[in-house]
Amino acid sequence: EELLVQSGAEVKKPGESLKISCKGSGYGFTSYWIAWVRQVPGKGLEWMGFIYPGDSDARYSPSFQGQVTFSADKSITTAYLQWNSLRASDTAMYYCARRRMTNLGLAIGAFDMWGQGTMVTVSS
Amino acid sequence: DIQMTQSPSSLSASIGDRVTISCQASQDINKYLNWYQQKPGKAPNLLIFDTSDLETGVPSRFSGSGSGTHFTFTISSLQPEDVATYSCQQSYMLPYTFGQGTKLEIK
Repeated sequence: EELLVQSGAEVKKPGESLKISCKGSGYGFTSYWIAWVRQVPGKGLEWMGFIYPGDSDARYSPSFQGQVTFSADKSITTAYLQWNSLRASDTAMYYCARRRMTNLGLAIGAFDMWGQGTMVTVSS
Repeated sequence: DIQMTQSPSSLSASIGDRVTISCQASQDINKYLNWYQQKPGKAPNLLIFDTSDLETGVPSRFSGSGSGTHFTFTISSLQPEDVATYSCQQSYMLPYTFGQGTKLEIK
């Protein structure tokens, strides 16, 4: 079974650092882009960017560039989203999602498999 | 960034009704428009990609159409399990952007 499983909920203080994870299984992890998507409670979805675990090539939305860092460890088929200094405004649910591939092996912009989400709460 | 505007923001319909949701892009996005369903407390689920291609395993009552800047998502006969928020997403240009979502309820 193809799965993305995310790490558990986090409660942090402003200024603290955090790294959350997304473990892929049941498919060729290194061949699919992994996106990160933010959802503030009660609000819509925001694409933060994605990373290609095969070579760690990453693309960031300008809204999140410099605020977060994507990484991946191929050996354990896990992608990460990291903050160096959290703010209260980072409070949200964060999803990882797999970029869909066509039958010809081309990546398209839709996301066909999602993790269960990691809730991050930042509060003093 | 390309702005995606959905309408309505919410709607209420009866079982068996035909339901239509619109999504408008701030510029031409060709056919690169995707639709997701998100049930309360759950992750989004891809229903339709590239305007009208049904994702594997998705019931045929769901469909999509459109091109350029105006797109439509349709449920041909509303079922109780379709209660959810539906979001469009453009994948024409980075950064990818989503609509604000349409909350669908049963009347």
